[in-house]
Amino acid sequence: GQNIDQPTEMTATEGAIVQINCTYQTSGFNGLFWYQQHAGEAPTFLSYNVLDGLEEKGRFSSFLSRSKGYSYLLLKELQMKDSASYLCAVRLRRQLIFGTGTRLQVFP
Amino acid sequence: DTGVSQDPRHKITKRGQNVTFRCDPISEHNRLYWYRQTLGQGPEFLTYFQNEAQLEKSRLLSDRFSAERPKGSFSTLEIQRTEQGDSAMYLCASSLAQNTEAFFGQGTRLTVV
Repeated sequence: GQNIDQPTEMTATEGAIVQINCTYQTSGFNGLFWYQQHAGEAPTFLSYNVLDGLEEKGRFSSFLSRSKGYSYLLLKELQMKDSASYLCAVRLRRQLIFGTGTRLQVFP
Repeated sequence: DTGVSQDPRHKITKRGQNVTFRCDPISEHNRLYWYRQTLGQGPEFLTYFQNEAQLEKSRLLSDRFSAERPKGSFSTLEIQRTEQGDSAMYLCASSLAQNTEAFFGQGTRLTVV
């Protein structure tokens, strides 16, 4: 079976840094995606890692270790609008398998 | 709007009725996916098209569910004899190639009463 684990909820303060972890055990691997989803809205793409290492994109960075089956999403200089669910997804050959998502609440 | 569009945005139906949803992907994208999402969960894969060919179906997709993409452009998802457990958000996504990001539509929220 496919297994993707993320913490269910996290809280953080405006201006802070937060790291959301994701571990996976899947039958294949063709890359790992992070999506952001605000309540009632569609998921929007944040980042993609296929090789080990860190990908940086503005306030967001994502890290991948394929040997450990591990990724994290790093959000810096948190803003209130970053309150959302963050979905980790592994691409298999023809589909994306999603974790249950981490609901992040940012407080002033 | 050049994104993925889905219609309708909301659908309320009585148990036992059939419903059909439509998805228009981004025009140059040949890959199309259907997902189902319930509250507090991540999207669950239902089915995948490459052009008009349905190449993969989840075991979640019972025989009451059928999807088509007749000309390799828009797609429809039909649920026959709806049950209360079918109540969920149905999301469509499209992508240009295998290892590029999938873009999601706003979804169709189905409520079965």
